[in-house]
Amino acid sequence: GAVVSQHPSRVICKSGTSVKIECRSLDFQATTMFWYRQFPKQSLMLMATSNEGSKATYEQGVEKDKFLINHASLTLSTLTVTSAHPEDSSFYICSATTRGTGELFFGEGSRLTVL
Amino acid sequence: GQQLNQSPQSMFIQEGEDVSMNCTSSSIFNTWLWYKQDPGEGPVLLIALYKAGELTSNGRLTAQFGITRKDSFLNISASIPSDVGIYFCAAKDSGYALNFGKGTSLLVTP
Repeated sequence: GAVVSQHPSRVICKSGTSVKIECRSLDFQATTMFWYRQFPKQSLMLMATSNEGSKATYEQGVEKDKFLINHASLTLSTLTVTSAHPEDSSFYICSATTRGTGELFFGEGSRLTVL
Repeated sequence: GQQLNQSPQSMFIQEGEDVSMNCTSSSIFNTWLWYKQDPGEGPVLLIALYKAGELTSNGRLTAQFGITRKDSFLNISASIPSDVGIYFCAAKDSGYALNFGKGTSLLVTP
């Protein structure tokens, strides 16, 4: 099946710094990518939807200036957590789809810990 | 998105037992999906269902798309220790965005 890769898988940063997480579709062109946040023992919470070449659509309650999403190419989307705070610590997961099947493929997730 | 009602929240069973979990919604969906998530990993697709009434198997897993298009179940037969994990149902309509259940945590003892 299609492969979606996230990097880094784990990142620890100091409060106030910015962290970038990459999501790549390795063997298909992802027209749409999604970013989720998952708290321990919770379900996935959709943060935003990004289409290649256009601005991301954020879910209600998600700060677009804090969680910057860029989908500059058909194989790469990035999530930048700006001025990170400890409450931003979470598991962030991306998923990607292509227009063909509409099937969604998930990345491996990135664990962010803000000290 | 709309939250799906997934149950049970957790299950603790012995190896060899069969497992059943389900998801319901007040809304109609066109696609139902079942994912498994291991700790620290992203969800992995187990079964995708695209048609009301569809019954699909993947090894020891069987899932069905409810005839009303508002529910789905997943069965795991003859469970083994590696079945441990969190199982999520997900559903979508004509768009791309997925609605997720809250997950069923499965523990299997040898």
